[in-house]
Order: sequence, then C-alpha cells, then structure tokens
Amino acid sequence: EPEVTQTPSHQVTQMGQEVILRCVPISNHLYFYWYRQILGQKVEFLVSFYNNEISEKSEIFDDQFSVERPDGSNFTLKIRSTKLEDSAMYFCATSEGDRRTDTQYFGPGTRLTVL
Amino acid sequence: GDSVTQMEGPVTLSEEAFLTINCTYTATGYPSLFWYVQYPGEGLQLLLKATKADDKGSNKGFEATYRKETTSFHLEKGSVQVSDSAVYFCALVYGGATNKLIFGTGTLLAVQP
Repeated sequence: EPEVTQTPSHQVTQMGQEVILRCVPISNHLYFYWYRQILGQKVEFLVSFYNNEISEKSEIFDDQFSVERPDGSNFTLKIRSTKLEDSAMYFCATSEGDRRTDTQYFGPGTRLTVL
Repeated sequence: GDSVTQMEGPVTLSEEAFLTINCTYTATGYPSLFWYVQYPGEGLQLLLKATKADDKGSNKGFEATYRKETTSFHLEKGSVQVSDSAVYFCALVYGGATNKLIFGTGTLLAVQP
C-alpha cells in the first residue's frame, strides 16, 4: 500500500537555525498539508498546498515558515529561524482531492527539538 | 469556531472489554467526520470515516455513527485487544476551500491482558 514518507524522523537544532523537513507524497496525490503536534497538545493544521500554491494557512504559519515542492516529488517545510516553541512533531499529509470525502494520509512524522 | 471535543484519557481496559470513546463536535456547516489512530512510534492512520448524517463508519471491529442531532461521533468496539492500545483522534473536515482537518485532543487507550 502506498505510503507518505518523511525525513528525518528526528531533527535536533539550535535556536535560530534553519531547518527543512521533507515529505514524499503518495504518487497520484495532488493536495499536500503540514500539521504539527506539540507534546501533549492537539494536532494543529499549519498549511495546505495545491498546484504549487498555498491554499490555506493557519495563524501559526507566519513569515518564518515556507513550503515548496522543489522537484515534483518532495514537499518541504522550511522554518527559517527556529524558536524553542517550534519543538513539536510535524506531520505531512496528502490527499487525492479536496472534497470533504477525500481522506488525508499521514506520514510518520518528524520530531523537531529546538535547543 | 469549529471544534472537536473528546473524552479525556487515559482509558484503561482489560482485554475483551467494551470500548466507547466519546467525541462531539461544533460545526457551522456539514463536515465529514474521521477517527484516526496513532500506534506507539507511528504516524496517524485513518481508522474510519463517515461523510453524512446517519452514516456508520467501520473498520477492524471499530464503529462510529455520524449523529447530527447530538453532534456526536462516538467510537465503539465490542471486544478490545492488547494490540488496540494507541491514541485515538476524532477529527472533522469540510473540504473545498477550507480542507483542513480539525482534531480533538486525542484519547490514549491502554488495554491490559
């Protein structure tokens, strides 16, 4: 069964450093998402992406965050200057369509630790 | 705004016990409803979904019915196994222009042999 994959599984970085989290979507999926889960809290939506454009972003997704699909397969989330409060599990998800009946399939996540 | 509320965990059960995890939602429109499961060390997996009122989603012995009148989507299983130990998330989505999943806080289920 096709899967969403994410790398790295765990990233440790110093405050103020840039990080790039990578996701490989399921091959025929066109809609891509990032979510995050701070330890002990809810899974929160960050951004959705379709046709090389951001469709929707949350208040969390400020100017420090960016997404792109650099090579037609990977989907990346960049945090320009990490803060302590960015420490969380980051999940990539992908779906075939954007209907409310379409399932979003999640990757295993990247645990980001900012020191 | 739209939100999902789940019962607090952890829920601890003995093997073969009956499971209910309550989920209620607040929505301005007509969302689809989902249950996702997260096994230790893994990502979120879709467990089941329902896309309209009175629909019942089912998978692996788990069931949930979309109740519009009570705005609920409670997860049930008749006989849990140790392998069901995981965190369970209830979520809703509208689709279209705003296709983000809105999650509840998650409920940790621990099944003891």
